[in-house]
Amino acid sequence: GENVEQHPSTLSVQEGDSAVIKCTYSDSASNYFPWYKQELGKGPQLIIDIRSNVGEKKDQRIAVTLNKTAKHFSLHITETQPEDSAVYFCAASSGGSYIPTFGRGTSLIVHP
Amino acid sequence: DADVTQTPRNRITKTGKRIMLECSQTKGHDRMYWYRQDPGLGLRLIYYSFDVKDINKGEISDGYSVSRQAQAKFSLSLESAIPNQTALYFCATSDRDREHGYTFGSGTRLTVV
Repeated sequence: GENVEQHPSTLSVQEGDSAVIKCTYSDSASNYFPWYKQELGKGPQLIIDIRSNVGEKKDQRIAVTLNKTAKHFSLHITETQPEDSAVYFCAASSGGSYIPTFGRGTSLIVHP
Repeated sequence: DADVTQTPRNRITKTGKRIMLECSQTKGHDRMYWYRQDPGLGLRLIYYSFDVKDINKGEISDGYSVSRQAQAKFSLSLESAIPNQTALYFCATSDRDREHGYTFGSGTRLTVV
């Protein structure tokens, strides 16, 4: 089955800095890669996703890149703000059942 | 109202007790899921259902059972709770083509003492 590794487990940055979270996957058939943000006391919320036919996708201050050859994808957050502090999860899934496998999460702390 | 509602939000129960966690959704999605979250372990799939008559085990189904009472309702039961089932439990829904990923509920924090 699919295996998703996520790094780092904790990331601490100053407000205004950029943050990068990286994930690798094992199943070359995976073709959908969502990212979720989980704020304290809440359920994860989809913030951006990318499909295997696209190399990069941006939405305001967040972007995701995908390297299919190396089987890794990354989340980039620019100009971080304290409200970006949360746990972020990457996931990967393939066609068919579309059940994603999640990474273990990254706790992002943005210091004012 | 929330798209995916989980009840209760918090629950403390004793070892050996039967407990049910409930989930209802207003998204109109066919697919529903139950996940467990433990610190450092991410989200692990317990059970999932693609429609009312469909139930499938996930990677950690032992000790759990589910019931899909209607398209909008999916409940998770612990037949005889044990302390290592203490965790945060999430219900999620998705549409058939996963166009918008998952919609998660706010979670149920379960403590088994």
